[in-house]
Amino acid sequence: GENVEQHPSTLSVQEGDSAVIKCTYSDSASNYFPWYKQELGKGPQLIIDIRSNVGEKKDQRIAVTLNKTAKHFSLHITETQPEDSAVYFCAASSKGGGADGLTFGKGTHLIIQP
Amino acid sequence: GAVVSQHPSRVICKSGTSVKIECRSLDFQATTMFWYRQFPKQSLMLMATSNEGSKATYEQGVEKDKFLINHASLTLSTLTVTSAHPEDSSFYICSARVQSTQYFGPGTRLTVL
Repeated sequence: GENVEQHPSTLSVQEGDSAVIKCTYSDSASNYFPWYKQELGKGPQLIIDIRSNVGEKKDQRIAVTLNKTAKHFSLHITETQPEDSAVYFCAASSKGGGADGLTFGKGTHLIIQP
Repeated sequence: GAVVSQHPSRVICKSGTSVKIECRSLDFQATTMFWYRQFPKQSLMLMATSNEGSKATYEQGVEKDKFLINHASLTLSTLTVTSAHPEDSSFYICSARVQSTQYFGPGTRLTVL
């Protein structure tokens, strides 16, 4: 089955700086890679996703890049703000388009220092 | 759009009792819903895939007789934890698929005493 590794487990950055979270996956058949933000005691919230037919996607301060050859994808948050503090999870779907349940990374606790 | 709700948000029960958790898609129909479990400071682990009108598909290691799933309509899936024990205490989260994207509910905190 799919295995997703996520790094770092904790990331502390100064407000206004950029944050980068990286993930690798094992199943070359995976072609859907979402990122979720989870605040304490709440369900995960989709912030951005990418499919394997593109290498990069951007939505305002958030961007995701995908390298299918290397089987890794990254989340980039620019101009970080205090409200960006949360746990971020990457995920991969081992079959097309999220038709199956997602395999999640272990999460990154992002701390934005004021 | 794509709002998923769960009920209850929190439940405390005695060991040996059964607990039912509801997952609803509020503004769309979902033929497929998923149930995940999340222990404190850990990631989400897929428990089962719930398909409307058919039996759920369980992940390896998840007891189907303990975690009963019913997806009776296109907007409702239920998870029943039968004969709950303290080790079943966890955060249970459902998701619903819209085209190729999964949207998650707010989760249900289950505490078994």
